[in-house]
Amino acid sequence: GAGVSQSPSNKVTEKGKDVELRCDPISGHTALYWYRQSLGQGLEFLIYFQGNSAPDKSGLPSDRFSAERTGGSVSTLTIQRTQQEDSAVYLCASSLDSVLSSYNSPLHFGNGTRLTVT
Amino acid sequence: TQLLEQSPQFLSIQEGENLTVYCNSSSVFSSLQWYRQEPGEGPVLLVTVVTGGEVKKLKRLTFQFGDARKDSSLHITAAQPGDTGLYLCAGEKLVFGKGTKLTVNP
Repeated sequence: GAGVSQSPSNKVTEKGKDVELRCDPISGHTALYWYRQSLGQGLEFLIYFQGNSAPDKSGLPSDRFSAERTGGSVSTLTIQRTQQEDSAVYLCASSLDSVLSSYNSPLHFGNGTRLTVT
Repeated sequence: TQLLEQSPQFLSIQEGENLTVYCNSSSVFSSLQWYRQEPGEGPVLLVTVVTGGEVKKLKRLTFQFGDARKDSSLHITAAQPGDTGLYLCAGEKLVFGKGTKLTVNP
């Protein structure tokens, strides 16, 4: 079956522009997660959705970052007025249930969107 | 805030050697996961450990969860170039370590 799909795979934008990153989770997965990974580093948690609601937004770095999920499926991560420090790989993952409720719900990751802010 | 410290940060070895990487925390985790990430791809789950003292084997990879559920190790026997990648540990509260970047040279 299809895995987690992210688009675009690469995005180059000018400082100050807005960008939208898209994530299509595995069909039937109720939980969806966004992470940021800087070059060669570990994953920084940004936000997760259970269905269409986001119980935990604590990881969003600033109010320039927002995310939504519609229909319990597709999610978009929006970064407004991009800055050079926003350059990173943005990874999306989904799981059948929330990892907070079941350790038997491993995360399935997409291949990420590499964002470069010039 | 729960933190996971991974060591070493980088490891470069020759094919056939054995190695161990570590994942440590001052916090107790009810479960811990290990992932491997290859360049240009997302992390892929290798194993989940749940019980203190638990040992799980996946071919040449052996995972151990500490008795106090604060630490874990990954041991690779007779490493192969295909084992090259970034190894990440993660706690159940969505916390990831910074990873160990392993390079196995032929």
